[in-house]
Amino acid sequence: DIQVTQSPSSLSAFVGDTVTITCRASHNISHYVSWLQQTPGRAPRLLIYAATDLHNGVPSRFSGTGSGTDFTFTISDLQPEDFATYYCQQTYSTLAWTFGQGTKVEMK
Amino acid sequence: QVQLVQSGAEVKKPGSSVKVSCKASGDTFRSYAIAWVRQAPGQGLEWMGRIIPLLNITNYARKFQGRVTITADRSTCTGYMEVTSLTSDDTAVYYCARAPLFGDPLVDVWGKGTTVIVSS
Repeated sequence: DIQVTQSPSSLSAFVGDTVTITCRASHNISHYVSWLQQTPGRAPRLLIYAATDLHNGVPSRFSGTGSGTDFTFTISDLQPEDFATYYCQQTYSTLAWTFGQGTKVEMK
Repeated sequence: QVQLVQSGAEVKKPGSSVKVSCKASGDTFRSYAIAWVRQAPGQGLEWMGRIIPLLNITNYARKFQGRVTITADRSTCTGYMEVTSLTSDDTAVYYCARAPLFGDPLVDVWGKGTTVIVSS
């Protein structure tokens, strides 16, 4: 299975800040990366797919870049509802679409 | 509104099996794969496998091959995921989710999750 390494595992930020999360894949996965948000007790929610494309209804303060093995997810102007855990997911493999370890974004 | 409706929480003994269901709409079963993801308490998301109900094709993450069986009943538009030989390490929330068969690969709709507790 393709491994995905996500960092940092957690970060603290203020409302209004810009935060960045990175993912590195063990193989070239082209642009096949999604980013998901999860709040406690809830199912994950798709934010970005194909590395850069915003899913329906997702605010434009969320963005993604990257291709090959290195990917970045950014939240600009962090809002109170954005404090959550974020996961990257590679969707390149024909077998398992593995996840990164997650990044918990906490309020400073 | 598209929904995936999962079965209720389960408490199981070590060594037993559990089968979780996920009911979808007919359109979902014709045009999507159904994937299964689990999350142990306080841990991250773990991909288990998926099925394309239209073709009855399954694939599994290496870790779950042999102990997990994913099936689909097209007559009731319900997907199933069975785990055998349960241990305490299988205590987790199990999610089903759908992935479109065409276009960009992604998982766009998730069930609410089914809690499975393995305890003697």
